[in-house]
Amino acid sequence: DIQMTQSPSSLSASVGDRVTITCQASQDISNYLHWYQQKPGKAPKLLIYDASNLETGVPSRFSGSGSGTDFTFTISSLQPEDIATYYCQQYDNLMYTFGQGTKLEIK
Amino acid sequence: QVQLQESGPGLVKPSQTLSLTCTVSGGSISSGGHYWSWIRQYPGKGLEWIGYIYYSGSTYYTPSLKSRVTISVDTSKNQFSLKLSSVTAADTAVYYCARDKTVTRGRTYAFDIWGQGTTVTVSS
Repeated sequence: DIQMTQSPSSLSASVGDRVTITCQASQDISNYLHWYQQKPGKAPKLLIYDASNLETGVPSRFSGSGSGTDFTFTISSLQPEDIATYYCQQYDNLMYTFGQGTKLEIK
Repeated sequence: QVQLQESGPGLVKPSQTLSLTCTVSGGSISSGGHYWSWIRQYPGKGLEWIGYIYYSGSTYYTPSLKSRVTISVDTSKNQFSLKLSSVTAADTAVYYCARDKTVTRGRTYAFDIWGQGTTVTVSS
């Protein structure tokens, strides 16, 4: 099974900061890597699919990049409403696996 | 737009069977093109994909739960269901149903629509 390593597990940043989260797969998953935002008491929300495609309606300050085993999720200018937990998710060989999550807080 | 809604008991006794239903509104399961999944989130916040079903009835389950899981579909009611047998406290979680996103080229294997989730506690 493919293992996903997401880092950091938590992150504190100021409004306006650039924020980066990484996800590493234990083997090549092409671009089958997606990013979600989850706020307390809510279901995860898809932000980025296929590593770099912005889901409809998602603000352009969110972006993703990478291919193969190494992926990056970026918020270009952190806003107060971005406080949430972020998860990566991969698909390979009929299996879907989520990263451990990154809890983002305002400094 | 398409919406999903989970329903079922919030409390299940150990060794019994957990049964949940996901009702799809705003779209038809039988129109095809999408796979429909069950995902759970543990109290510690980890997410685990359980399995999926296609409108035809084709299923695939995560290997670690395969012996205890059954996912079925009722296209006449526009619903799909989850049964998890022989539950223990380790099955306590929020259970979500979700839709696999498709684009022009086909499946993306991302989940673009989720239900609100339902909390299931396994306890005597």
